[in-house]
Amino acid sequence: QKEVEQNSGPLSVPEGAIASLNCTYSDRVSQSFFWYRQYSGKSPELIMSIYSNGDKEDGRFTAQLNKASQYVSLLIRDSQPSDSATYLCAVNRGGADGLTFGKGTHLIIQP
Amino acid sequence: DGGITQSPKYLFRKEGQNVTLSCEQNLNHDAMYWYRQDPGQGLRLIYYSQIVNDFQKGDIAEGYSVSREKKESFPLTVTSAQKNPTAFYLCASTHSNQPQHFGDGTRLSIL
Repeated sequence: QKEVEQNSGPLSVPEGAIASLNCTYSDRVSQSFFWYRQYSGKSPELIMSIYSNGDKEDGRFTAQLNKASQYVSLLIRDSQPSDSATYLCAVNRGGADGLTFGKGTHLIIQP
Repeated sequence: DGGITQSPKYLFRKEGQNVTLSCEQNLNHDAMYWYRQDPGQGLRLIYYSQIVNDFQKGDIAEGYSVSREKKESFPLTVTSAQKNPTAFYLCASTHSNQPQHFGDGTRLSIL
């Protein structure tokens, strides 16, 4: 059974601080890892993808992957109220198979 | 503009009725996917197709059917056998090992 686990939150972070979101996965053969942002009532929007161990930075976002620990995280620097959303972690075994999603972490940025 | 178009945005189903959700993409993507999202939950894979005239069951295929007669189109039928169809349905597509991108979704409710 493929599983992706996330803390559902809500995670409350002051504006301007760093928000740290975590995700663990059970399938060791997983090869691709994604973070999607979903606003209430909207569809998920891809914000980061990571395929190899280490850090990947894109603007205010940094994704971190540790395959040995089966752990992937997302850091959001200089958090803004517009970052308030649910963040979904998704994992893929490779190829064109479907993604396995966590239930999401609800992030609230307090002005 | 290139993208994924889902229709309708809202759909209501009567008892014993089959309904079909449309998903069209003009991105020339080979692979297409259907997911279901329940309130406060992550996305769960219903069906996916990697090539025209071929598709595979996902984790929760019971009560659903699909077809892939054209590369651009991947309609999902919610049959009367699906006893709990109320959910947010999301279609996605991708090319090769690229991340999946989603349409705007269809919200299905029971009358």
